[in-house]
Amino acid sequence: EDQVTQSPEALRLQEGESSSLNCSYTVSGLRGLFWYRQDPGKGPEFLFTLYSAGEEKEKERLKATLTKKESFLHITAPKPEDSATYLCAVLPLAGAGSYQLTFGKGTKLSVIP
Amino acid sequence: NAGVTQTPKFQVLKTGQSMTLQCAQDMNHNSMYWYRQDPGMGLRLIYYSASEGTTDKGEVPNGYNVSRLNKREFSLRLESAAPSQTSVYFCASSEMTGGTYGYTFGSGTRLTVV
Repeated sequence: EDQVTQSPEALRLQEGESSSLNCSYTVSGLRGLFWYRQDPGKGPEFLFTLYSAGEEKEKERLKATLTKKESFLHITAPKPEDSATYLCAVLPLAGAGSYQLTFGKGTKLSVIP
Repeated sequence: NAGVTQTPKFQVLKTGQSMTLQCAQDMNHNSMYWYRQDPGMGLRLIYYSASEGTTDKGEVPNGYNVSRLNKREFSLRLESAAPSQTSVYFCASSEMTGGTYGYTFGSGTRLTVV
């Protein structure tokens, strides 16, 4: 069974204080690992897809990396507007669940001015 | 703005009532999905439609039915609502099944069953 575990559950940072969010996963062959941002009362917003170990992608203050067992979302010099819940999800390579994203429970990030 | 539109945004039902959640996308995506999100549980797939004319069960399909009306629209029906179906429901779409290019989500329907 595919599993995604995100840590920490919640993270409070001062504005400008860089940190990382972790996503550990187990899947029988990885087609893709996804990061989403979700603001309160809204649907998840797509950030990145990572396909293979060693891959990195960046968008503004966010950088996502991938190894064979986990992914990190690095946040550099965060601003209050980066406050949101960040979701990680995996898509298996093949099999009965190959159309189904498995999501973690998310990390709620709060950036304090 | 282009994207996924869900209606209604909020709904309160009594146990045993039925209702249909509507979803439409204008991005010419082939695949559409229904998820529910519960506190501490994460997003879970209810049903999906890989392409127009096809639907399949996801992780938690019991108590729900779906209809892919055309390429744009994918509806979710609760025939006899139960308190356990109190949740936030999200519709999503992607260019292709599996959505390695990323799913686009709607803004959600918050459903309360009393």
